[in-house]
Amino acid sequence: AQSVTQPDIHITVSEGASLELRCNYSYGATPYLFWYVQSPGQGLQLLLKYFSGDTLVQGIKGFEAEFKRSQSSFNLRKPSVHWSDAAEYFCAVGSGGSYIPTFGRGTSLIVHP
Amino acid sequence: DAGITQSPRYKITETGRQVTLMCHQTWSHSYMFWYRQDLGHGLRLIYYSAAADITDKGEVPDGYVVSRSKTENFPLTLESATRSQTSVYFCASNPSAGGTGELFFGEGSRLTVL
Repeated sequence: AQSVTQPDIHITVSEGASLELRCNYSYGATPYLFWYVQSPGQGLQLLLKYFSGDTLVQGIKGFEAEFKRSQSSFNLRKPSVHWSDAAEYFCAVGSGGSYIPTFGRGTSLIVHP
Repeated sequence: DAGITQSPRYKITETGRQVTLMCHQTWSHSYMFWYRQDLGHGLRLIYYSAAADITDKGEVPDGYVVSRSKTENFPLTLESATRSQTSVYFCASNPSAGGTGELFFGEGSRLTVL
């Protein structure tokens, strides 16, 4: 069975600082990996996804993530955080043939001015 | 491109009442899902549907009923609401059978049971 771990419940950064949100997954084959963002009072929006190919993927809003098979990780990064990035971030893993993704518990990003 | 719309966005009801949350998608996606989101629990899958007239239980189905007579609609009914069902409910869809797991989400329905 696949699983996802987001080890950080909360992350606090200053505006303009860099950001890395951690995501570790457990799955036997090559997974499909996703990062979603949820702004307060909103639904989840897809930030980026990895299916195959280049292990560094670019997403919306200046985010990127890197798939590292050896570490079973798919960490989300942004070089300079904006106050509007304050939100809940969810990592998810899917697999070929399974239409039900597995979500992590989420990481709440707090941005200080 | 309306995507997925949920209604109502906010609902307050009383214990024991029946409540139906509506979900409508305009893409003709095969798979649809209902999740609930609670502090400390993340997203939990309630029910999902692979196609019209095909539904199945998720992680937390007790107290909920779903139906899917048309591809575009997937209502969630709480037959007798309880306080523990106070939550934010999200509907989502997946465009492909046996796909990648990528989901498109609605804006959510916040339900309060008094």
